[in-house]
Amino acid sequence: SQELEQSPQSLIVQEGKNLTINCTSSKTLYGLYWYKQKYGEGLIFLMMLQKGGEEKSHEKITAKLDEKKQQSSLHITASQPSHAGIYLCGADFLTGNQFYFGTGTSLTVIP
Amino acid sequence: EPEVTQTPSHQVTQMGQEVILRCVPISNHLYFYWYRQILGQKVEFLVSFYNNEISEKSEIFDDQFSVERPDGSNFTLKIRSTKLEDSAMYFCASSERNTGELFFGEGSRLTVL
Repeated sequence: SQELEQSPQSLIVQEGKNLTINCTSSKTLYGLYWYKQKYGEGLIFLMMLQKGGEEKSHEKITAKLDEKKQQSSLHITASQPSHAGIYLCGADFLTGNQFYFGTGTSLTVIP
Repeated sequence: EPEVTQTPSHQVTQMGQEVILRCVPISNHLYFYWYRQILGQKVEFLVSFYNNEISEKSEIFDDQFSVERPDGSNFTLKIRSTKLEDSAMYFCASSERNTGELFFGEGSRLTVL
């Protein structure tokens, strides 16, 4: 079963535009993690959220976790070509040792 | 800054050959994982390992796969008889606790011909 769903699957934006990527879980998370991946390369850790309602920012990227801990959003302000890549949400849950990944969102930023 | 390292970065092998992918997790971490990502597809969980045994594995992790921690530092993934569909990027990860941030290696790209 798919534990984490991401939307949209792909996104093409003009440089300077804002964008949002969503990640939804079918059950309550323990922790929610955002990673970025350049096509065919490794995973770069961006942010981790563990408390309901938590919000974290790093440079122009802001991630939020809802109060119920089932949904997270990643918001990029004034996107740049360097933001291009695949964004993956990941999560662990209170039961089990698995860490699940979302389906990924491919972001293209057009200069 | 401590990091997870993986070798080789890229391996090309013939179908039917055995492959061993190596990982050196972060030294004080206790939980170890292997994931794979077929090119253009999602990252899929293979197996988690704790206290010298498999704690959880996915349907993908069938009898042709095995993991081992042969010494205090390495964590290996062995594919006994590779198939074309095993071509993928394999990621190793480690964590301090069974919940919390996973630290990923750069990945090992396996190409099966």
